[in-house]
Amino acid sequence: GQQLNQSPQSMFIQEGEDVSMNCTSSSIFNTWLWYKQDPGEGPVLLIALYKAGELTSNGRLTAQFGITRKDSFLNISASIPSDVGIYFCAGQLQSGGSNYKLTFGKGTLLTVNP
Amino acid sequence: DTGVSQDPRHKITKRGQNVTFRCDPISEHNRLYWYRQTLGQGPEFLTYFQNEAQLEKSRLLSDRFSAERPKGSFSTLEIQRTEQGDSAMYLCASSLAGIYGYTFGSGTRLTVV
Repeated sequence: GQQLNQSPQSMFIQEGEDVSMNCTSSSIFNTWLWYKQDPGEGPVLLIALYKAGELTSNGRLTAQFGITRKDSFLNISASIPSDVGIYFCAGQLQSGGSNYKLTFGKGTLLTVNP
Repeated sequence: DTGVSQDPRHKITKRGQNVTFRCDPISEHNRLYWYRQTLGQGPEFLTYFQNEAQLEKSRLLSDRFSAERPKGSFSTLEIQRTEQGDSAMYLCASSLAGIYGYTFGSGTRLTVV
């Protein structure tokens, strides 16, 4: 099946630093999504990207849908302690009019040192 | 409506027992999904319903797994004859048709001992 390569696997940063993580795929997607997951909880949608080349912001978060449709990155500016968690990229491919299944990366564990 | 609700949050069962999980989606959402997440991995697709119809099942969903969504409302996921390899977080999500990026529930963490 499709595989998403997400990097880095983990990051340990100081509060106030900027963070960047990315995701690459062996095949194209129509939609890229970025989720955050806190321990013991389900993933929460942060940003959705619908068009190749699209750059979208949500507060301190910025994400881009790669031109090749095979990659995406997420930046977090001026990190704060509550940014701690696991960040997942997910790709979605429309097929025959259906647009349901998400393929997830393995996640980036972010630790922010106050 | 406070989002997608899953019950129980945690379940410990002995190998060989049957377990059933429940998911209550956001009321106006017609699509419902089940995913499984093991430690250190992202969620993996199990199955998907549009209203009451189960439209796709992953190869991960062995014959011991069955999911239902009677009347297109809540859904149940049953695992028969549980095995230690079934230990995972089982996530439910829902969405409206044509809307990307589902809303996930908090999950049911299953531990098979």
